[in-house]
Amino acid sequence: EAQVTQNPRYLITVTGKKLTVTCSQNMNHEYMSWYRQDPGLGLRQIYYSMNVEVTDKGDVPEGYKVSRKEKRNFPLILESPSPNQTSLYFCASSRVGGLSGNTIYFGEGSWLTVV
Amino acid sequence: DQQVKQNSPSLSVQEGRISILNCDYTNSMFDYFLWYKKYPAEGPTFLISISSIKDKNEDGRFTVFLNKSAKHLSLHIVPSQPGDSAVYFCAASGTGANNLFFGTGTRLTVIP
Repeated sequence: EAQVTQNPRYLITVTGKKLTVTCSQNMNHEYMSWYRQDPGLGLRQIYYSMNVEVTDKGDVPEGYKVSRKEKRNFPLILESPSPNQTSLYFCASSRVGGLSGNTIYFGEGSWLTVV
Repeated sequence: DQQVKQNSPSLSVQEGRISILNCDYTNSMFDYFLWYKKYPAEGPTFLISISSIKDKNEDGRFTVFLNKSAKHLSLHIVPSQPGDSAVYFCAASGTGANNLFFGTGTRLTVIP
């Protein structure tokens, strides 16, 4: 079954404590991306990756890091989380070649609360 | 600035009737449009898409209409079913782009 798997699904953490949200896909997709969903703002892209070792900033990259050492994994790193990073996070993947004409598959989401 | 807008945060429809969800965009470079459906505690799932070379795409009960001159698209669900109750997101992308721009979503409730 085609899947994008995120962990953890729910996390409450404290300001400044580094955390990593993992993302893994089993579809051999080259493209992976992270989005955050906030009330009244829809989904906004944080970072994306076109392939292994190729990453780039999306619309709201501040406070986040990513890495793409393997094709299937794309972890999201919050080095020093702050309360404004409290959000619902989605990992997504797609075949390469731009998003026009390709379907993006999303993970189930990770609820992150920073206190 | 929101490039994709869904101005109706919610919509209620009787079962069996038509649901019409609307979406407007501002970027004339967008050439591919998608609708995603999202249930609580799940990620968005792809529903239907349309390329800018078309003005209509149909898939079963779901039809998307695109009006390029008005920069407007709509999703029609006929007949609506209670299982269609979810949040619907409109999204848009341009050729070669690496980002989808999402609207803020419309919560559809289909009343049995």
